[in-house]
Amino acid sequence: GQQLNQSPQSMFIQEGEDVSMNCTSSSIFNTWLWYKQDPGEGPVLLIALYKAGELTSNGRLTAQFGITRKDSFLNISASIPSDVGIYFCAGVNYGQNFVFGPGTRLSVLP
Amino acid sequence: GAVVSQHPSRVICKSGTSVKIECRSLDFQATTMFWYRQFPKQSLMLMATSNEGSKATYEQGVEKDKFLINHASLTLSTLTVTSAHPEDSSFYICSAGRISGGLGNEQFFGPGTRLTVL
Repeated sequence: GQQLNQSPQSMFIQEGEDVSMNCTSSSIFNTWLWYKQDPGEGPVLLIALYKAGELTSNGRLTAQFGITRKDSFLNISASIPSDVGIYFCAGVNYGQNFVFGPGTRLSVLP
Repeated sequence: GAVVSQHPSRVICKSGTSVKIECRSLDFQATTMFWYRQFPKQSLMLMATSNEGSKATYEQGVEKDKFLINHASLTLSTLTVTSAHPEDSSFYICSAGRISGGLGNEQFFGPGTRLTVL
């Protein structure tokens, strides 16, 4: 079946640093979604990408839809303590086939 | 963004009882709703996909008689954990899908329900 890989699995950064994480697959998707999950909460949609090559920002977050349609990356600039959480990517195919990655766990050190 | 609610947020029950969890899309009609289970420090595990008015599609390894799903309307889906046992204790999260077949395919998650079975 389709699988997504997220890298890194976890990361520890200093407050103020930029963060980069990515999501890769052997399959093509027509939509990429990035979510953040705080402890004890449901994931919250951060950014949705619909076209290959598309670069979209949401505040300090920037995500890109890979040109091959098999990958996507998420950047967070000038990290702050509230950026702590698990970041999930999801690839979507035509119809309702959503595939979620295993997540990247981000810790921000003061 | 779209809002999805879940009720209850936490439930503690005795072994052998049944627990119903509700998932509602508050400001859009969701033709598809998804139910996930999440163990501590692990990713989301899809349990089943439900379409309004039809039977849910369960993922491999998920007992459909154990986890009953009803999607009676475009804004409400319920998950009933029947004869719950301690190993059913987990974080259950629903999501509502806004599926357009092209642009705008998105899932919006509820806040989750923490189930503890004693």
